[in-house]
Amino acid sequence: DVQLVESGGGLVQPGGSLRLSCAASGFIFRDYWMHWVRQAPGKGLVWVSRINGVGSDTSYAASVRGRFSISRDDAKTTLYLQLNSLSVEDTAVYYCGRGGLSGYIDSWGQGTLVTVSS
Amino acid sequence: EIVLTQSPGTLSLSPGERATLSCRASQSFGSSFLAWYQQKPGQAPRLLIYGATNRATGIPDRFSGSVSGTDFTLTISRLETADFAVYYCHQSGVSPITFGQGTRLEIK
Repeated sequence: DVQLVESGGGLVQPGGSLRLSCAASGFIFRDYWMHWVRQAPGKGLVWVSRINGVGSDTSYAASVRGRFSISRDDAKTTLYLQLNSLSVEDTAVYYCGRGGLSGYIDSWGQGTLVTVSS
Repeated sequence: EIVLTQSPGTLSLSPGERATLSCRASQSFGSSFLAWYQQKPGQAPRLLIYGATNRATGIPDRFSGSVSGTDFTLTISRLETADFAVYYCHQSGVSPITFGQGTRLEIK
């Protein structure tokens, strides 16, 4: 079974940094695009970033470009999201997801909560 | 950026009824790149439909998707209690990837 387990969330002050991890198992990790999607409390889903199977192709939502960085370690079957220059608007549950053939997300982790507050 | 507008915002129906959820795109992007997700409180989203009309693994056949131009529809033929949740459409054909704002399906 596909398993995605996020970690690394927590409370951080505005302007701070955090690194999220997503440990993957149950599939050939290097063969799949991977995504990060976030959801602010009581709000809808917002796509954040994605990365291809070899890590050579990345893209970001405009709201996080230049502040967030996606990466992966295929040997460790782990996806990462480095969050820098955080603001209160970045407060959300962050989900990692496995990308399907035409860009849909066919498996999701349980999410990790990032709270940005002073 | 492609804007996906879902309607209605909230849909109140009874178990056994038919639900019709709409997702309208601001421009064309190819129906192969439209998906629907279900999300229940405190849970991660779950893929229901991909490629506009294809059910994901394990999704019952009371869920179906259709498309007409840039208008996409998710239909739930006979509502069960477990179907009351929030539903999102999602496009991955044009960067940046975008989601609709969601439709809340609630028990009447």
